Amino acid sequence: ETGVTQSPTHLIKTRGQQVTLRCSSQSGHNTVSWYQQALGQGPQFIFQYYREEENGRGNFPPRFSGLQFPNYSSELNVNALELDDSALYLCASSLAEGSSYNEQFFGPGTRLTVL
Amino acid sequence: RKEVEQDPGPFNVPEGATVAFNCTYSNSASQSFFWYRQDCRKEPKLLMSVYSSGNEDGRFTAQLNRASQYISLLIRDSKLSDSATYLCVVKNYGGSQGNLIFGKGTKLSVKP
Repeated sequence: ETGVTQSPTHLIKTRGQQVTLRCSSQSGHNTVSWYQQALGQGPQFIFQYYREEENGRGNFPPRFSGLQFPNYSSELNVNALELDDSALYLCASSLAEGSSYNEQFFGPGTRLTVL
Repeated sequence: RKEVEQDPGPFNVPEGATVAFNCTYSNSASQSFFWYRQDCRKEPKLLMSVYSSGNEDGRFTAQLNRASQYISLLIRDSKLSDSATYLCVVKNYGGSQGNLIFGKGTKLSVKP
């Protein structure tokens, strides 16, 4: 069973650029959540995808968008990058079954630096 | 006010010490509670869930007080390998709150 993987591991961009981060969920998982972790802070929920639809969103502007594919992998897109977008972006996958909670497993993250 | 607040830390303790972390949450409707561990420059990993009756896993004991909206983690006989950041996490249900809400984390350094 493979765990959650993310790519790339590190990325450097300049203000105003766009970035796409990728996540492959753990085998058997159908739900992907994205989090942003700024230095010295806890992760903050960006949004969650379930069966290719956005299924909840945190307090992030529309320039943060995402996709989930039929194989349950996911992308996070950020447009018009700002300096404050510099952070570790974490993807977590889980298996949603009715209303029960199942553990979210995190990937190693993508460290984004915006100059 | 942050939804989940933790002791600021850092905690620097000798090996063998007992250390306690505290956490408060503001949403009385919160339904699930966890402690995660995050090593430097790594992803968070679930340490343990926290139940109203309190629960223990080896050297780790977690407690939940719903009336006070307070969560704690006790680590006994600290090991060097316990050095990490400990994140208090709450999960609400329904709508856009169906995901993990993390505290800022408390850094623990266990010294020889």
